[in-house]
Amino acid sequence: AQTVTQSQPEMSVQEAETVTLSCTYDTSESDYYLFWYKQPPSRQMILVIRQEAYKQQNATENRFSVNFQKAAKSFSLKISDSQLGDAAMYFCAYRSVPGNTPLVFGKGTRLSVIA
Amino acid sequence: EAQVTQNPRYLITVTGKKLTVTCSQNMNHEYMSWYRQDPGLGLRQIYYSMNVEVTDKGDVPEGYKVSRKEKRNFPLILESPSPNQTSLYFCASSLTGQGRDNYGYTFGSGTRLTVV
Repeated sequence: AQTVTQSQPEMSVQEAETVTLSCTYDTSESDYYLFWYKQPPSRQMILVIRQEAYKQQNATENRFSVNFQKAAKSFSLKISDSQLGDAAMYFCAYRSVPGNTPLVFGKGTRLSVIA
Repeated sequence: EAQVTQNPRYLITVTGKKLTVTCSQNMNHEYMSWYRQDPGLGLRQIYYSMNVEVTDKGDVPEGYKVSRKEKRNFPLILESPSPNQTSLYFCASSLTGQGRDNYGYTFGSGTRLTVV
């Protein structure tokens, strides 16, 4: 079974600085998706960014980018120019292709942003 | 607006009193799933459904039931709740087709359940 590991339970960053959240995963499959979800205090699960394993180019969404290292099974999230609104729990998740499989989550990293 | 609607958002109940958490999606998604979220454990899948009348167990199914009589609805049933089922619950849905954009989940807003 696939597993997702987030080794940093908590992180903090100064406002306007850059922070990187780590994620590793274990799979024997070659085709899959990786996701980062944000969960603010409102509890809503918000999709931040998605990476398709067959694409070598790292995904980017505004201030959020990933470093996808397929051979190392690593999928880190970089947040640039951190803002107070970035404070949240962040979950890394994995899903196999085809899409009749569950989304497997890591245990999360709580990010604090210091003004 | 495309969404997953989950109700109630908050629920306090007593041990043994049957309850149902409703979930409905308006996106014609085939795949629906229930997760529970507990501190330090992340989100764990309870049950999922591939389509109408097709359901299967996830990682933590004990003490829960589901049904999928209509494509849009996927209620979670706790027939005899216990305090260890106190948790934050999420319903989610997705497509299962071959299109490359179809693999993300849409989540409901969550249900905070407390069993005393």
